Amino acid sequence: AQSVAQPEDQVNVAEGNPLTVKCTYSVSGNPYLFWYVQYPNRGLQFLLKYITGDNLVKGSYGFEAEFNKSQTSFHLKKPSALVSDSALYFCAVRDRGSQGNLIFGKGTKLSVKP
Amino acid sequence: NAGVTQTPKFQVLKTGQSMTLQCAQDMNHEYMSWYRQDPGMGLRLIHYSVGAGITDQGEVPNGYNVSRSTTEDFPLRLLSAAPSQTSVYFCASSYDRRQARDSYNSPLHFGNGTRLTVT
Repeated sequence: AQSVAQPEDQVNVAEGNPLTVKCTYSVSGNPYLFWYVQYPNRGLQFLLKYITGDNLVKGSYGFEAEFNKSQTSFHLKKPSALVSDSALYFCAVRDRGSQGNLIFGKGTKLSVKP
Repeated sequence: NAGVTQTPKFQVLKTGQSMTLQCAQDMNHEYMSWYRQDPGMGLRLIHYSVGAGITDQGEVPNGYNVSRSTTEDFPLRLLSAAPSQTSVYFCASSYDRRQARDSYNSPLHFGNGTRLTVT
């Protein structure tokens, strides 16, 4: 069965510093991977996806993610964090065996301090 | 476009009561789904639909019913509310993978959620 894991419940970063939010996956075959962000009292918003091709994927709001097949990881990164990046971040994988529904990780809370 | 609209935003029910959470989208998306979000558990799929007249169960379907009579609407019904159904519910939609090859990986568009408390 497909699954994703986000090993950190919370990540704390100072504004201006680089940030990384970790995600590892377990799939059979080639993975389809996604990152979403949730701001308080809002629904999730799509950030980026990896389907195939370049291992470094660029997305919205200056975020990017690095796909590493050997480590089965898809970490979210940003070179310089903003206070406004503080939110809940979800990694997701497409479940090939279930009409392609998305399976979400448990989420990582990112806190960026000024 | 309004995107995905969910109503109500908040609801308090007593155990045993029934209610319907409404979801509508104006993007002509074939795929629609319901998730529940609980602390420390991420999002779990309740039911989904790949088109009008077609529904299927997700990971946690017990206690919930859905129907899809139109492309736009996908209501979620709680048959007899239980405290374990206290959660935040999200409706999401996307292009269905049957429409075009690229649609298989079209992103989900989420509503702003319904916060449900069952006492």
